[in-house]
Amino acid sequence: QITLKESGPTLVKPTQTLTLTCTFSGFSLSTSGVGVGWIRQPPGKALEWLALIYWDDDKRYSPSLKSRLTITKDTSKNQVVLTMTNMDPVDTATYYCAHTPLTTYYFDYWGQGTLVTVSS
Amino acid sequence: DIQMTQSPSSLSASVGDRVTITCRASQSISSYLNWYQQKPGKAPKLLIYAASSLQSGVPSRFSGSGSGTDFTLTISSLQPEDFATYYCQQSYSTPVTFGPGTKVDIK
Repeated sequence: QITLKESGPTLVKPTQTLTLTCTFSGFSLSTSGVGVGWIRQPPGKALEWLALIYWDDDKRYSPSLKSRLTITKDTSKNQVVLTMTNMDPVDTATYYCAHTPLTTYYFDYWGQGTLVTVSS
Repeated sequence: DIQMTQSPSSLSASVGDRVTITCRASQSISSYLNWYQQKPGKAPKLLIYAASSLQSGVPSRFSGSGSGTDFTLTISSLQPEDFATYYCQQSYSTPVTFGPGTKVDIK
């Protein structure tokens, strides 16, 4: 059974760096083809893809946010970490991590999401 | 980037109705199109991948079709638990992009 759970601060100040951790079980990020992605959703708005990391450490980023994002994995801990620098109130959103199978770009298992508010 | 559009943006329907939602890509994406259902306060749930493949555990009243730039999600007989927002997503290339969503509510 695949599960994922996001963790991190619920409130960050403008200009600060956000660090979110996705802790998962039921699969290994050392298995060929497997990946974990991050997607966010501002309140009342649509989904926005942020980043993906694969078993072979291949990383993909949203071009519009690439300069602010870093995605890393710790296979031994079954964790994926996303950092986003220079946070702004427009980055207020629910942040989800999700499993992607077989070197695809779709998401078959999702975490519950974590709401991050950016405010001074 | 590949832009995704959906129509309608919202619709009202009754239990038992046949519902069709359309998704269009700004360029050909072959069959790399996926559909998600999202209920308020919950994470999205994958319904259909590769345009027409039903995700395990998803009821057979959900179906998908299309290829190239035009795709359709059909709910053959709407059930009370189907009232939600539906998103399409292209997985042809990165950046991955989602449609703006279609909200299905009760008539």
